Amino acid sequence: KNEVEQSPQNLTAQEGEFITINCSYSVGISALHWLQQHPGGGIVSLFMLSSGKKKHGRLIATINIQEKHSSLHITASHPRDSAVYICAAPYFGNEKLTFGTGTRLTIIP
Amino acid sequence: DVKVTQSSRYLVKRTGEKVFLECVQDMDHENMFWYRQDPGLGLRLIYFSYDVKMKEKGDIPEGYSVSREKKERFSLILESASTNQTSMYLCASRTSGDTEAFFGQGTRLTVV
Repeated sequence: KNEVEQSPQNLTAQEGEFITINCSYSVGISALHWLQQHPGGGIVSLFMLSSGKKKHGRLIATINIQEKHSSLHITASHPRDSAVYICAAPYFGNEKLTFGTGTRLTIIP
Repeated sequence: DVKVTQSSRYLVKRTGEKVFLECVQDMDHENMFWYRQDPGLGLRLIYFSYDVKMKEKGDIPEGYSVSREKKERFSLILESASTNQTSMYLCASRTSGDTEAFFGQGTRLTVV
């Protein structure tokens, strides 16, 4: 099974700050997922990446396969970015995902 | 617009009751999953189905069973609900390979 660790567990920042959330995993994977969960429960997929970098609006995800590490960055953070961010990695060669425990992000106006 | 729909957002049940949580997806995905989410523990896999009538135990299957009679529907069954099954339950689906996962809105179950 792939162990997935996230840091920090909680993050509070002022509006406009640059945010970084980190994720590390223990075994080789083909792709890593970043997810967002707003209060109320629903989870939305933000990124799935297997190499390099992906960008969507103010969100940027990077991955270093050799170091087994990924980061999610938010530029010009806004209170509506407040949510729990979760990374997930597959069991190698498996359809199942292992999830990190999530990072609770709070952006203060 | 792709969708995974769970039958209830909130549910309150009594200890010992049989509870059914339903999940339907409209994307023709082979793989469907049931997770529970608890504070500090993240999402943990209860059961997984990779085809109709096929199921596989996840990390915490005790006290649960599942049913997949049709490709689009995956049901989670609590045979005799207990208070330690109070949790948020999330259904997800994805097709095979390195593909995006789609989640339902979650069911917050309280067992009293």
